[in-house]
Amino acid sequence: AQSVTQLGSHVSVSEGALVLLRCNYSSSVPPYLFWYVQYPNQGLQLLLKYTTGATLVKGINGFEAEFKKSETSFHLTKPSAHMSDAAEYFCAVSEGFQKLVFGTGTRLLVSP
Amino acid sequence: GAGVSQTPSNKVTEKGKYVELRCDPISGHTALYWYRQSLGQGPEFLIYFQGTGAADDSGLPNDRFFAVRPEGSVSTLKIQRTERGDSAVYLCASSLGRGYEAFFGQGTRLTVV
Repeated sequence: AQSVTQLGSHVSVSEGALVLLRCNYSSSVPPYLFWYVQYPNQGLQLLLKYTTGATLVKGINGFEAEFKKSETSFHLTKPSAHMSDAAEYFCAVSEGFQKLVFGTGTRLLVSP
Repeated sequence: GAGVSQTPSNKVTEKGKYVELRCDPISGHTALYWYRQSLGQGPEFLIYFQGTGAADDSGLPNDRFFAVRPEGSVSTLKIQRTERGDSAVYLCASSLGRGYEAFFGQGTRLTVV
């Protein structure tokens, strides 16, 4: 069975500071890994995904994530936070593009 | 349509009642997924359709939950004898098929009182 652990239900940063959201996964097969963002009263939007190939993947809005097999991690980063980045972020794993198994989410708070 | 459409956006029902939640996928998408997101949790998989058939319904919590997709497009999630614990946001997603990225709708917020 696959699972995802997101460390920290809330992360607070100042505008302009580095954003780091942590995700660790468990999978018995080579995983597909995803980060989604959810703004209030909106659906999930895909930020980026890892399937195969290059382990550093770049997504929308300046976010990127690195797949580290040895650490079973897929942490999300952004060099400089904007106020508009405040939202809920979900890490997810799947076997191919099939049903997704999500973590419990991390709420990112950005202060001026 | 431009995206996945879910109706209604909000539904309040009394305990014990029957409800139907509708999902209109992106035109041409053959795969359709239902997820449930409880307060403070990540979405949980319910069921996956490929075309008209349910390819994986392993996430349906019990036999009060049922979903159909009779013509391979619109899907309806049906919940019988609703319970307060069914209160959640029900999310629908669609994709071009197995192996393709899924796009999510905005969800239906179901409240059982």
